[in-house]
Amino acid sequence: ELKVEQNPLFLSMQEGKNYTIYCNYSTTSDRLYWYRQDPGKSLESLFVLLSNGAVKQEGRLMASLDTKARLSTLHITAAVHDLSATYFCAVGTNTGNQFYFGTGTSLTVIP
Amino acid sequence: DTGVSQNPRHKITKRGQNVTFRCDPISEHNRLYWYRQTLGQGPEFLTYFQNEAQLEKSRLLSDRFSAERPKGSFSTLEIQRTEQGDSAMYLCASQEGNTEAFFGQGTRLTVV
Repeated sequence: ELKVEQNPLFLSMQEGKNYTIYCNYSTTSDRLYWYRQDPGKSLESLFVLLSNGAVKQEGRLMASLDTKARLSTLHITAAVHDLSATYFCAVGTNTGNQFYFGTGTSLTVIP
Repeated sequence: DTGVSQNPRHKITKRGQNVTFRCDPISEHNRLYWYRQTLGQGPEFLTYFQNEAQLEKSRLLSDRFSAERPKGSFSTLEIQRTEQGDSAMYLCASQEGNTEAFFGQGTRLTVV
């Protein structure tokens, strides 16, 4: 079974600072997703990364994928309070259609 | 299109009762997934449909769980003889190809 690890699990950062969340996975994959989840809510799609070297940006968030290193990053630039949420990466397998979620990173942005 | 719709949003049931959840995917999305999420954890895969065919099932899906997607449209997830360990948020997602998978609001199940 594909293993997906995120770090850190918890992140507290001040407004205006930059930080990176890491997503490592254990086997070859051809697709990676990033989601945001607010407390008690469902999952909001942020990015879909489908090739090595893919980089996507939306506002203060930028995601990248290195399939050789089996690593994706979610970079936060000049954090604001509204970004406080839990962020999940999910990795698809080459042998099936399901995707496996990481443990999540709970982000708190402090004013 | 209003996105993925799940009903009910909340369900409280007594242990041993059967429950059924419904998911209406985004129209024309051929892929449909069911996931389960417990507090503080990431979603865990339960099952996957390509149109009406159930192609993948997790080991988590015991014989008390059954899912259907008749005619490749809406899907139902039934849990028979519920146990307290079944308490969780049940999430449905739909997808077209390898594009974004959109999740519904989920059904929160509490077994008492």
